[in-house]
Amino acid sequence: GNSVTQMEGPVTLSEEAFLTINCTYTATGYPSLFWYVQYPGEGLQLLLKATKADDKGSNKGFEATYRKETTSFHLEKGSVQVSDSAVYFCALSPNFGNEKLTFGTGTRLTIIP
Amino acid sequence: EPEVTQTPSHQVTQMGQEVILRCVPISNHLYFYWYRQILGQKVEFLVSFYNNEISEKSEIFDDQFSVERPDGSNFTLKIRSTKLEDSAMYFCASSGDLNQPQHFGDGTRLSIL
Repeated sequence: GNSVTQMEGPVTLSEEAFLTINCTYTATGYPSLFWYVQYPGEGLQLLLKATKADDKGSNKGFEATYRKETTSFHLEKGSVQVSDSAVYFCALSPNFGNEKLTFGTGTRLTIIP
Repeated sequence: EPEVTQTPSHQVTQMGQEVILRCVPISNHLYFYWYRQILGQKVEFLVSFYNNEISEKSEIFDDQFSVERPDGSNFTLKIRSTKLEDSAMYFCASSGDLNQPQHFGDGTRLSIL
């Protein structure tokens, strides 16, 4: 079956540091890949997505590239801010997004000033 | 921006009681989902719903669970006889056509005593 393996947390960084959160997946066919973010006390918000190999999703300074050869979708940001503190979830869907999402365990990110 | 709304935000129920969690998906969306997140664990798929019937369900979604779209706007999850292990955050999500990802509500925290 499909699965997502995500970097264990928690991760603590200083403001303006470079961020990488690793995500690898196992899936048949050509899944779509997503990063969702959960801010304290809130629900899941779509951060970015990629639907085919070599696509790069980007939003709010975050980026992730769909790498089929390494089955990875690592999340990166060049300079994090305190407001980026949240839990980040990598997820996949067998198709674009209208079938069930399979989530990773989530990575809690804390940015200190 | 339209959003998925869930009520109540927190539900406390005695074990063995029935509970109904309510969701109002985004108005022009066609696909509806329930997920749950037990404290400290990953987000898990429960059920998807399209065209007034269940499209897919997980092994978690046993006979104690049911979903309904009683009118044109609400989407409900019913747990018939709650167990302690049903305590979790329950998320509703919806999506539109094949080119749209899933949008999540803020969740209902269900506590079974």
